[in-house]
Amino acid sequence: EMQLVESGGGLVQPGRSLRLSCAASGFTFDDYAMHWVRQSPGKGLEWVSGLSWNSGNIGYADSVKGRFTISRDNAKNSLFLQMNSLRAEDTALYYCAKGQGTSYTHYAMDVWGQGTTVTVSS
Amino acid sequence: QSALTQPASVSGSPGQSITISCTGTISDVGGYDYVSWYQHPPGKAPKLMIFDVSNRPSGISNRFSGSKSGNTASLTISGLQAEDEGDYYCSSYTSNSPYWVFGGGTKLTVL
Repeated sequence: EMQLVESGGGLVQPGRSLRLSCAASGFTFDDYAMHWVRQSPGKGLEWVSGLSWNSGNIGYADSVKGRFTISRDNAKNSLFLQMNSLRAEDTALYYCAKGQGTSYTHYAMDVWGQGTTVTVSS
Repeated sequence: QSALTQPASVSGSPGQSITISCTGTISDVGGYDYVSWYQHPPGKAPKLMIFDVSNRPSGISNRFSGSKSGNTASLTISGLQAEDEGDYYCSSYTSNSPYWVFGGGTKLTVL
């Protein structure tokens, strides 16, 4: 069974940093692109970032560009999101999602984790 | 404000059919056949229901179907069941940053 398990969320003060992790299992991790998608309280889904199977292509939402960095370790079947200069508006449930293909563009997200909660507050 | 426009809510009785619309622009829905639909039950992970406008992943009931006309995509659920309740989101690839956009979500209530 394909599975994604996020971790690393928590309460953090504005301006500080947090690193999210996503552990993948049940599929050949390095065959697929990966994404981070978030849902702020009471709002809809927002794509945050994605990267291709070999990290050769990476994209970010304008709202996080320059502050967040996505990365992957194919040897450890893991996806990461380094979040710096956090703001109150980054408060959300962060989901890790698997792409259907090797590129993070064009292919839908066919496996999702349960999410990890990030709360940015003083 | 979401990039794609969906109705906030729809409802139907068991056995009926409902359709959820998703309106974008030529830069996303209208320009590419990369529209997908996700079911998001409360407290659970989102689930891919339709990809590439009208394709169903393995294991998804054929009661779910997708289509597109111009800048508007649609998800139709036939033979409504109580288990279909939840939020539904459309998503599309876009040629503009951020490359993936979602709709604001539609809450489906089965009466």
